[in-house]
Amino acid sequence: EDKVVQSPLSLVVHEGDTVTLNCSYEVTNFRSLLWYKQEKKAPTFLFMLTSSGIEKKSGRLSSILDKKELFSILNITATQTGDSAVYLCAVFPNTPLVFGKGTRLSVIA
Amino acid sequence: NAGVTQTPKFQVLKTGQSMTLQCAQDMNHNSMYWYRQDPGMGLRLIYYSASEGTTDKGEVPNGYNVSRLNKREFSLRLESAAPSQTSVYFCASSIGLAGGTDTQYFGPGTRLTVL
Repeated sequence: EDKVVQSPLSLVVHEGDTVTLNCSYEVTNFRSLLWYKQEKKAPTFLFMLTSSGIEKKSGRLSSILDKKELFSILNITATQTGDSAVYLCAVFPNTPLVFGKGTRLSVIA
Repeated sequence: NAGVTQTPKFQVLKTGQSMTLQCAQDMNHNSMYWYRQDPGMGLRLIYYSASEGTTDKGEVPNGYNVSRLNKREFSLRLESAAPSQTSVYFCASSIGLAGGTDTQYFGPGTRLTVL
C-alpha cells in the first residue's frame, strides 16, 4: 500500500526562525513528489521534485528530494506570520497523487 | 481564466437527501479529481477521471458517483447522504501527463454538512 508520512504534524515557531518539514514515502513506481501550501481554502502548488539532490527554490522556501532514502524536506527560512498554513506532501506513483496528512505550521510574531 | 471552479461553496443536507457537487475547469486539462478532506486525515481521493469518457475509483469511493460530462466538467453525486460524508470536498484538475509528473490545481472547495 502506498504511504506518505509527514512530520511533525504540527509546529509552532517565532517569526524569523527557520523550519524544516519532513516527508517520507513508500510507493510503488515513484514518479514525482509535490509540495502544496494550504491556508484557509484550496491547496496551492509549491514545488514538484522528480530528481534526487536537486534543490528547488522559491524565495525563502526550498525543497530537496532523496530518492535513495525515500524522503523530501521543505525548508522555510526567516519565517513570517504569512507562512502559517498546512503544508501537504504528495507523491505520484502509478495512480493519482497520494497525500500525507500535512504539517500545520503556526508562526507567531 | 478562472481555473477550477466549484459550486456550491456550502451545503447542509439531511440524512438520506441527495445532491450533486459541480466542478468545472477552463485550463483544457485532461484529468480531473474529487477529494475529501477531513480533520487529521489529509486529502483522500474519491474518484478521478484520467481523460474525458473515463472514470476510476480512488481511495474512498463508497457512497459516491461521478460523471465526466465533458472535458471541462466533472460532477460528484451523493445519492443518499450520511453524516459520515460531512467533509470539505475539493475538485482538482491536471494536464494528465503520461509520464506522471503532473501538477494538480485545486478548486476552492465545498463545505458539506450532513445532519
